[in-house]
Amino acid sequence: GAGVSQSPRYKVAKRGQDVALRCDPISGHVSLFWYQQALGQGPEFLTYFQNEAQLDKSGLPSDRFFAERPEGSVSTLKIQRTQQEDSAVYLCASIPKPRDRTNNEQFFGPGTRLTVL
Amino acid sequence: KNEVEQSPQNLTAQEGEFITINCSYSVGISALHWLQQHPGGGIVSLFMLSSGKKKHGRLIATINIQEKHSSLHITASHPRDSAVYICAVKDGNYKLTFGKGTLLTVNP
Repeated sequence: GAGVSQSPRYKVAKRGQDVALRCDPISGHVSLFWYQQALGQGPEFLTYFQNEAQLDKSGLPSDRFFAERPEGSVSTLKIQRTQQEDSAVYLCASIPKPRDRTNNEQFFGPGTRLTVL
Repeated sequence: KNEVEQSPQNLTAQEGEFITINCSYSVGISALHWLQQHPGGGIVSLFMLSSGKKKHGRLIATINIQEKHSSLHITASHPRDSAVYICAVKDGNYKLTFGKGTLLTVNP
């Protein structure tokens, strides 16, 4: 039973470069979340998918951030024209069921540490 | 938006000591999570609770809904407990709001 995996684990980008971060959720997990964690801070919500549908993208900080999950499993977070303030750890989490009356535990991946120079 | 405050921000203890980390929030919630994050590692869920108290090994989590406050206790602390402990609250929907975390260092 593999957990949530993310790749790459570390990414260094020059300012202005585009980056793509991948998340492989636990097989069969319906809901997927992306979070951004700046140094010394708690994670902050970016976006939420239920299967392939992006139901909430209210946390994406700018239109340079784009996320997709075309087949309802693997998700990619893309950041265009990276800026230094994008430097953070990007965390992915999944849960088995969509939001409902049950309070489901989120299973987190190891994160991708992005450094923009 | 829910405001989540944790205290202390940093905590250093000697092996064997009893540890308490506190979390308070501003708006009513459906559940509260305690999470553990090791340096360079991912986040592991320790507890999810909406009332009362839960215990797992040396870890105990309590929540007081009326006071909007939760505590995480570690009994007989050990150096391997050294990590960042994060409190996160869930509103009636699905979104988690996280505290900034408490960095715990347990010295042998």
